[in-house]
Amino acid sequence: SQTIHQWPATLVQPVGSPLSLECTVEGTSNPNLYWYRQAAGRGLQLLFYSVGIGQISSEVPQNLSASRPQDRQFILSSKKLLLSDSGFYLCAWSGGGGVSNEQFFGPGTRLTVL
Amino acid sequence: KQEVTQIPAALSVPEGENLVLNCSFTDSAIYNLQWFRQDPGKGLTSLLLIQSSQREQTSGRLNASLDKSSGRSTLYIAASQPGDSATYLCAVLSGYSTLTFGKGTMLLVSP
Repeated sequence: SQTIHQWPATLVQPVGSPLSLECTVEGTSNPNLYWYRQAAGRGLQLLFYSVGIGQISSEVPQNLSASRPQDRQFILSSKKLLLSDSGFYLCAWSGGGGVSNEQFFGPGTRLTVL
Repeated sequence: KQEVTQIPAALSVPEGENLVLNCSFTDSAIYNLQWFRQDPGKGLTSLLLIQSSQREQTSGRLNASLDKSSGRSTLYIAASQPGDSATYLCAVLSGYSTLTFGKGTMLLVSP
C-alpha cells in the first residue's frame, strides 16, 4: 500500500531564517506531488505541484520554492521566512498520468514563524 | 476562478442523528469532487471521490451526491457517532491538478 511521510511534524523558526520541509511517498511510481498550505481561518491553498522529476509548477507567487530531486521526494524551501509563512503545510500525491485521480494527503508540518 | 462554499460552517448534533453537509461550487466544469475529513492538527483523510460523470458514491454510513449542473454536492452521514466529530472538507478538481477547497464544516457529535 502507498504511504506518504512528512517531516518535521512541527517547526518553530525565526523570521529571516531558511526553511526546508520534506515529503516522501512510498509504494507508488511516477506520482503527481503537491504542496498545500492551510492558514488559520482560511481554506487550503495549493502552492506547488509536480508531474515529474525537476518539473515544478507554482500556483501562488511567494518567497517559497519547491524541488523534486527524486521521483518520490518533494521539498518545500525558503531562503528567508516571513511571519506570513506560518501555517500548516500539507503534502499530497495522486497517481500520475490521469487528471481526475484521487489525492492523498500526508500528516502535515506545523510551521510557526516568530 | 473556482470558488467552493460549505454550509454550515459548524454543526452540533446528538449521537444517532442523520445529517447533511452541503458544498457548492461556482464553475461546473470539474473533473471530480472529493470529500475529506480532518481531525484537529492532523492531515486530511479522503472519504469519497465522485468523478464528474457520476451522481453519487457510498462508503459505509457515508453517501455523497453530485449535481454538476447546479454546482452542488451533499455529504450524508447516517446514524452519527462521536467518532465522526471532525472538520469535513469539500474540494473540486477543475483545472489540471488544481484542487480548490471549501473552508469546511466543523462537526461535533455529542454522546
